[in-house]
Amino acid sequence: ETGVTQSPTHLIKTRGQQVTLRCSSQSGHNTVSWYQQALGQGPQFIFQYYREEENGRGNFPPRFSGLQFPNYSSELNVNALELDDSALYLCASGRGRGANVLTFGAGSRLTVL
Amino acid sequence: QKEVEQNSGPLSVPEGAIASLNCTYSDRVSQSFFWYRQYSGKSPELIMSIYSNGDKEDGRFTAQLNKASQYVSLLIRDSQPSDSATYLCAGVTRGSAGGTSYGKLTFGQGTILTVHP
Repeated sequence: ETGVTQSPTHLIKTRGQQVTLRCSSQSGHNTVSWYQQALGQGPQFIFQYYREEENGRGNFPPRFSGLQFPNYSSELNVNALELDDSALYLCASGRGRGANVLTFGAGSRLTVL
Repeated sequence: QKEVEQNSGPLSVPEGAIASLNCTYSDRVSQSFFWYRQYSGKSPELIMSIYSNGDKEDGRFTAQLNKASQYVSLLIRDSQPSDSATYLCAGVTRGSAGGTSYGKLTFGQGTILTVHP
């Protein structure tokens, strides 16, 4: 069974730009959650998708948006990038609505200059 | 009070010793807890889950949950240098969206463990 894969692994953007991060969930999983992990901190919940619908959102502004596709893969989009958006973005998948037993991907390291 | 809080560390123990990692949680956190291990530059890896009061053992790892005192701990026996990593404690926080409830994992800030030979 394949795990959670994310792309790209590293990217550098400038302030004000937009970024799209991609995630393929583990086989058999239908829930995808996105987390932001700043250096030296624990992951912070951004939002969760279940069957292509947003199923919960953390304390992040609307410029953070997402999608889930019929094959349960997902995208995270961030508009109008700010310096504080520099972080490791983690995608995690699980089974069922509100899944809490999660498998994490390796993450996408975003640097905003 | 933060929803999930870990002892700040860093924690350094000699090889073969017991490493003790602690986590406290607020009333907003339900009583399903997870310990993740995260090597530097890597993603979190689930090592233990605990849902009931008491101890749960898996190999060299023992998770303990004390609901009355609202703390969770992870003991690593016979610590090895390969155990050196950041350990993240996470609990489930419930919310509602569009009339349905959901659970999200809320993480502590992590404790850096170093096991020295």
